[in-house]
Amino acid sequence: EDKVVQSPLSLVVHEGDTVTLNCSYEVTNFRSLLWYKQEKKAPTFLFMLTSSGIEKKSGRLSSILDKKELFSILNITATQTGDSAVYLCAVKTTDSWGKLQFGAGTQVVVTP
Amino acid sequence: EAQVTQNPRYLITVTGKKLTVTCSQNMNHEYMSWYRQDPGLGLRQIYYSMNVEVTDKGDVPEGYKVSRKEKRNFPLILESPSPNQTSLYFCASSLRAENSPLHFGNGTRLTVT
Repeated sequence: EDKVVQSPLSLVVHEGDTVTLNCSYEVTNFRSLLWYKQEKKAPTFLFMLTSSGIEKKSGRLSSILDKKELFSILNITATQTGDSAVYLCAVKTTDSWGKLQFGAGTQVVVTP
Repeated sequence: EAQVTQNPRYLITVTGKKLTVTCSQNMNHEYMSWYRQDPGLGLRQIYYSMNVEVTDKGDVPEGYKVSRKEKRNFPLILESPSPNQTSLYFCASSLRAENSPLHFGNGTRLTVT
């Protein structure tokens, strides 16, 4: 059975700290790994990773995939209160007809 | 603005009363899908559609129906809602099933009493 595990489940940091979120997966026929940010409503797309070792970056957020060790990390530097959200990791396989297998998410709280 | 639009945002209904949640996207996406999100269970796929008139079951399809008569619309139908279908529902779309990210609508919070 395919599995996507995120850690930690939750964390609280101060503004300005750096946060590292982890996502490990056990799936057959891996295609891609995606990161989403969910505040009170819809998950919003952050990154899609398909190749090992290539960092994707958007402002203070970055992510990288390790297909050998089957994990990805999402980094947020110089955190702001607006970064408070649940961060979701999801995996797509080649035989899943577009379905995303989601992890449980990591709740991040950034305090002023 | 490119978006996925769901309606209604909130819905309270009673057991057995048929309802439809509408979903529309304006991005000419081929692929559309419905997910439900429950505490402790995360996001799970209900149904998906690869293109017009092509739909199939996801992981939790029981008690739901869908149709895809037009490319932009993908309604979710609950013929006889039950309390265990109380959940937060998301419609999502992507350009293709394979190497495109899913874009989610703002969600419909459904309560079945």
